[in-house]
Amino acid sequence: DAGVIQSPRHEVTEMGQEVTLRCKPISGHDYLFWYRQTMMRGLELLIYFNNNVPIDDSGMPEDRFSAKMPNASFSTLKIQPSEPRDSAVYFCASSLGGLREAFFGQGTRLTVV
Amino acid sequence: KQEVTQIPAALSVPEGENLVLNCSFTDSAIYNLQWFRQDPGKGLTSLLLIQSSQREQTSGRLNASLDKSSGRSTLYIAASQPGDSATYLCAVRISGAGSYQLTFGKGTKLSVIP
Repeated sequence: DAGVIQSPRHEVTEMGQEVTLRCKPISGHDYLFWYRQTMMRGLELLIYFNNNVPIDDSGMPEDRFSAKMPNASFSTLKIQPSEPRDSAVYFCASSLGGLREAFFGQGTRLTVV
Repeated sequence: KQEVTQIPAALSVPEGENLVLNCSFTDSAIYNLQWFRQDPGKGLTSLLLIQSSQREQTSGRLNASLDKSSGRSTLYIAASQPGDSATYLCAVRISGAGSYQLTFGKGTKLSVIP
């Protein structure tokens, strides 16, 4: 398996624009997690899914953030409208079972100017 | 609320030295602990997963120990190499229904000098 695949790797956008980040989990994994990494706060969980269903979105900072998982092999994280403080690295991770080893993608570095 | 601390934030050692990275957590009711490596501009690579019932876990030159009661874990790296230079992160999962998130420390940036 190629591991967790995220796209794009880098995204630069202007404030107010919509941004969509994409993730393909490892085939067969039933849990998918979205994390955000900043210098100030480190890695924080935004939302996670089990069998394509959102389970806990308490980490989503604002209503501007939304995430979907239309099928077992694809998830999106959308920010609309984007703001400079959303600049961070966004990671997707998947696992087989919620308590087992998590595997992370390469991340998407988002810069909002 | 679970808090994870990694000290020091940065560490520089000469090649060949054995070293220990530290991780502490405030709530001992954890399910497991995972150590990751992060290279600049890259994702996180899982190194070791240690269950709460385990005392240690080994993979090659890496050995992770866990003392749940004292809220501590260490990652021991033997015979360090320049290729070990990276940021090392520890993360814990707390026990309890629905608690599937990983709570991360901010990492220790390791530099191994040739």
